[in-house]
Amino acid sequence: KAGVTQTPRYLIKTRGQQVTLSCSPISGHRSVSWYQQTPGQGLQFLFEYFSETQRNKGNFPGRFSGRQFSNSRSEMNVSTLELGDSALYLCASRTGTSGEKETQYFGPGTRLLVL
Amino acid sequence: GENVEQHPSTLSVQEGDSAVIKCTYSDSASNYFPWYKQELGKGPQLIIDIRSNVGEKKDQRIAVTLNKTAKHFSLHITETQPEDSAVYFCAAMPPSNYQLIWGAGTKLIIKP
Repeated sequence: KAGVTQTPRYLIKTRGQQVTLSCSPISGHRSVSWYQQTPGQGLQFLFEYFSETQRNKGNFPGRFSGRQFSNSRSEMNVSTLELGDSALYLCASRTGTSGEKETQYFGPGTRLLVL
Repeated sequence: GENVEQHPSTLSVQEGDSAVIKCTYSDSASNYFPWYKQELGKGPQLIIDIRSNVGEKKDQRIAVTLNKTAKHFSLHITETQPEDSAVYFCAAMPPSNYQLIWGAGTKLIIKP
């Protein structure tokens, strides 16, 4: 089974621009979660999508948004980029139906640099 | 809400020695505790997990222990090897929304 894939792997943007990141979950997984990871920081939860609906949301400003398509692929968008948005953005998938019994599987991440 | 604290932030051990990383959590209702390993340039990968009805779990050189009364759990790596060098994250899952709450991570360095 193919793992979680994320595109692009690396991205350079300038302040004020917007960016869209993509995540393809493991086949059969309907839940996709997004995380931001900055140097020296842990994993900050952004949001989770399940069956095209946002199921959970972290404490990030409205500039961070996402969506999920009918094939479970998900996109994350950041508008009006700030220098502090430079980070590794990770996507994780799981089936989404068994609650705490489920393992989250992570993709390799998209490294975003904002200049 | 749930809060997870992880210690130490950096751990350096001699190859062949054991390493122990500890985490404490605040929500006594949390019932699932995974540990992830993140190597440079990669996403985190699950290495072991434990559920609240179990006190200890082992998988070869890796073990996790859970003390529900004290609300802490630990990762034990024996006979450490160079490939164990990575950042390790603990997490706890409260049943309220089944979202993992993460520790800040421990950078494990294995000295040759």
